[in-house]
Amino acid sequence: DTAVSQTPKYLVTQMGNDKSIKCEQNLGHDTMYWYKQDSKKFLKIMFSYNNKELIINETVPNRFSPKSPDKAHLNLHINSLELGDSAVYFCASSRGAGHFYGYTFGSGTRLTVV
Amino acid sequence: GENVEQHPSTLSVQEGDSAVIKCTYSDSASNYFPWYKQELGKRPQLIIDIRSNVGEKKDQRIAVTLNKTAKHFSLHITETQPEDSAVYFCAASIRGSNFGNEKLTFGTGTRLTIIP
Repeated sequence: DTAVSQTPKYLVTQMGNDKSIKCEQNLGHDTMYWYKQDSKKFLKIMFSYNNKELIINETVPNRFSPKSPDKAHLNLHINSLELGDSAVYFCASSRGAGHFYGYTFGSGTRLTVV
Repeated sequence: GENVEQHPSTLSVQEGDSAVIKCTYSDSASNYFPWYKQELGKRPQLIIDIRSNVGEKKDQRIAVTLNKTAKHFSLHITETQPEDSAVYFCAASIRGSNFGNEKLTFGTGTRLTIIP
C-alpha cells in the first residue's frame, strides 16, 4: 500500500477551468500539507492541516481552497486556473504534536495549464 | 520567518569522489534539519536528518554535520555512485506546539551529477 497517494498524477487543462487534486495517507499521521514545486524545483509550502484543522495558510491566492474531510485526506481545489499555476503539487504528511520527523511525500501531481 | 540558503545549485563529481552540499539557516530556533533526495520525476525522499542537540550523524556513505553557532549544516556523500545523481534539498524546521504547526522550509536544491 502506498503511504501517501495523490490523484491524478498528471492533469492538463485549459485556462479558466476548475480542477481538484486528492490526497490520502494511511500512515496515521496527524498533519498534512500541500507544497508547490515550480519549474526551478523550488518547494514552497501552501497549506497545512492538523487533524482536519487549517494550521498554515501561506500567501496563496484565494483561487486555491484546501479541504480536509478527515485527518487521512487533504484535497486541493483550484478555481479559474492560470498559466502560472502550472507546477508539480506535492501532498505530504507528518506526525504532529511534537513528534516531528519530517515529511512523507506523495508522488506529486503535474498540473499543466494551457 | 525561516530562510534557508543552499549551495551549490549544481555539482558534478567523478564517480568514487566525495560530494559536499552546504546550507545556512536564519532562525536560531530551528532545531530539525532533514535532507531529501529527489530523483527525476519522483517524490522527494528523506535520506538523513539531524536534530540540534547533535553535531554529526552518519549513515553508511552519507553524513550530515551541524554547526549551530554558525547556523549551517552540510551533507557529505562519500564514494559517490551513479545512482547518487539527483536533486538534493536541505530543510529546516522549528518544533511546533501541540497544534501541529511544524513546517519545513526548504533550500533551493542542488543538482548532483555523478560522472562515470
